[in-house]
Amino acid sequence: AQTVTQSQPEMSVQEAETVTLSCTYDTSESDYYLFWYKQPPSRQMILVIRQEAYKQQNATENRFSVNFQKAAKSFSLKISDSQLGDAAMYFCAYRSPFQGAQKLVFGQGTRLTINP
Amino acid sequence: NAGVTQTPKFQVLKTGQSMTLQCAQDMNHEYMSWYRQDPGMGLRLIHYSVGAGITDQGEVPNGYNVSRSTTEDFPLRLLSAAPSQTSVYFCASSTGQGINQPQHFGDGTRLSIL
Repeated sequence: AQTVTQSQPEMSVQEAETVTLSCTYDTSESDYYLFWYKQPPSRQMILVIRQEAYKQQNATENRFSVNFQKAAKSFSLKISDSQLGDAAMYFCAYRSPFQGAQKLVFGQGTRLTINP
Repeated sequence: NAGVTQTPKFQVLKTGQSMTLQCAQDMNHEYMSWYRQDPGMGLRLIHYSVGAGITDQGEVPNGYNVSRSTTEDFPLRLLSAAPSQTSVYFCASSTGQGINQPQHFGDGTRLSIL
């Protein structure tokens, strides 16, 4: 079974600075998908960014980018120019490509605080 | 756009009571799932469905039942509530067209069992 580990329960960063959230995972599959979700106090689960394992190029979405290291099974999220609205819980998630395996395996989450 | 709608948003039950958490989506998604979120543990899959009439167990299925009679609805039933089922419950859906498609989540149901 796949596992996802987020080793940083809490992180804080000054507004406008850059922060990196760590995520590692364990799998025997060669093809899979990785996601970062944001959960603000409103409790909504909001997709931030996704990465296909077969793509070597790191995904980027505006101020959000990932550092995907397949051999190391690492998938970190970098947030540039941090804004107060970025404060939230961030979850890393793994998804198997197999038909019917429509499930996400989540990490424990990292609570990100933005200091003004 | 309604997306994924969960009802109720909050519920308090007594131990032993039963109830059904409702989930509906209007995106014609084939896949639907139920997760529970507990502090420090992320989200864990309870049950999931790949289409009407087809359901399967996830990581933590004990104490919960599901059915999928229509594409739109995927209710989660607690047969005899226990304090260990106090949690926030999320329903999610996704399309089967392209397995890299993200899951869309509802706003969650906060359930307390006394």
